[in-house]
Amino acid sequence: QSLLTQPPSVSGAPGQNVSISCTGSSSNLGAGYDVHWYQQFPGAAPKLLISVNKNRPSGVPDRFSGSKSGTSASLAITGLQAEDEAVYYCQSYDDILSAWLFGGGAKLTVL
Amino acid sequence: EVQLVQSGGGLVQPGGSLRLSCAASGFTFNSFWMRWVRQAPGKGLVWLSRINSDGTSTTYADSVRGRFTISRDSSKNTLYLQMNSLSVEDTATYFCAREDFFSDACDVWGQGTTVIVSS
Repeated sequence: QSLLTQPPSVSGAPGQNVSISCTGSSSNLGAGYDVHWYQQFPGAAPKLLISVNKNRPSGVPDRFSGSKSGTSASLAITGLQAEDEAVYYCQSYDDILSAWLFGGGAKLTVL
Repeated sequence: EVQLVQSGGGLVQPGGSLRLSCAASGFTFNSFWMRWVRQAPGKGLVWLSRINSDGTSTTYADSVRGRFTISRDSSKNTLYLQMNSLSVEDTATYFCAREDFFSDACDVWGQGTTVIVSS
């Protein structure tokens, strides 16, 4: 079981807004370590979506946004599009494990 | 174009060894820290190893420490993962990734290479 907990699945209709949570603990997100978010399509490599809690790399639509507070972080997607259907992973560092962790991944289904 | 091109996956018997390669191009390879991440079939991403820009410092996940070795060759702009004592649990797609210069996010990923450990 991952130490960064994500819902296994989220869904929404086109045009709706969704949020994906990432819950950690005092040894990772709560210790001040940054969270990053990745988008992965089936059979493809992950793609960096949000870095350092809230920064969008060049080319990422502004429909995607990130936030972090305490031991939790969230990825928000506004105006859902069919092309957003993918698995989303959060990632941070844990200082008890001395390792970089990924959340279990949240599969987004666009209804 | 900034890219990482992977090679070296395949089928190997339990207890065997394999070396994965990740060729970098389009950026100054020896300025960036690099990582290996794997993904078992139908499962999530798991960080395996990290190496600093000049290859003098390495870190490993508990699951592979002592069996896997990360290295890099700046003359060939290539990252490696030497995998020994492989078990069926090591069956996965392996990705190399570049760490962002200003954070520990992975901003460039290889296409992935599949390793199947089976008798």
